Amino acid sequence: AQTVTQSQPEMSVQEAETVTLSCTYDTSESDYYLFWYKQPPSRQMILVIRQEAYKQQNATENRFSVNFQKAAKSFSLKISDSQLGDAAMYFCAYRSPRNYGGSQGNLIFGKGTKLSVKP
Amino acid sequence: ETGVTQTPRHLVMGMTNKKSLKCEQHLGHNAMYWYKQSAKKPLELMFVYSLEERVENNSVPSRFSPECPNSSHLFLHLHTLQPEDSALYLCASSQIAGGLEQFFGPGTRLTVL
Repeated sequence: AQTVTQSQPEMSVQEAETVTLSCTYDTSESDYYLFWYKQPPSRQMILVIRQEAYKQQNATENRFSVNFQKAAKSFSLKISDSQLGDAAMYFCAYRSPRNYGGSQGNLIFGKGTKLSVKP
Repeated sequence: ETGVTQTPRHLVMGMTNKKSLKCEQHLGHNAMYWYKQSAKKPLELMFVYSLEERVENNSVPSRFSPECPNSSHLFLHLHTLQPEDSALYLCASSQIAGGLEQFFGPGTRLTVL
């Protein structure tokens, strides 16, 4: 079974600085998807960034980028120029190919990392 | 209203009560999900509905009973809950079951006394 591990329960960053959140996963599949979701204190979870395993190029979305190391099964999120609005819980998630093993391609989440941003 | 909405936002109930959580999506999606979010645990997928048909039930106790009357509405009926069922219950939707992007509601914070 696939698992997702976020080893940092809490992180802190100074405003305008850069922070990296770690995520590792375990899978025997070669094709899959990885996601970072953000859950601000208001609790509505939103998708930050997505990476397809077959793509070697790391995904980027404005100030958010990932470091995808397929062999190491590592998928870290880098937030550049941190802003106060970045303070939230961040969840790493894995999705197998749809209909693999009878699954509907459901998301498997890590426990999350709580990010604080200091002014 | 846009996106995914959930009501109520907070619910306190006794173990003998019966209550329902409601979720509504305004995105034209065909799949809807219930998740349980407990402190310091990963999100747990409870149920998946595709076109009003339940396609996945992840060994959830029968005291949780989902209902999907149409592709825009999803309910979670609760009865004889236990204190350990206290959690944040999140609803989500996607274009299709297993779609690459799920849109989440704000959740219902449930406390079982």
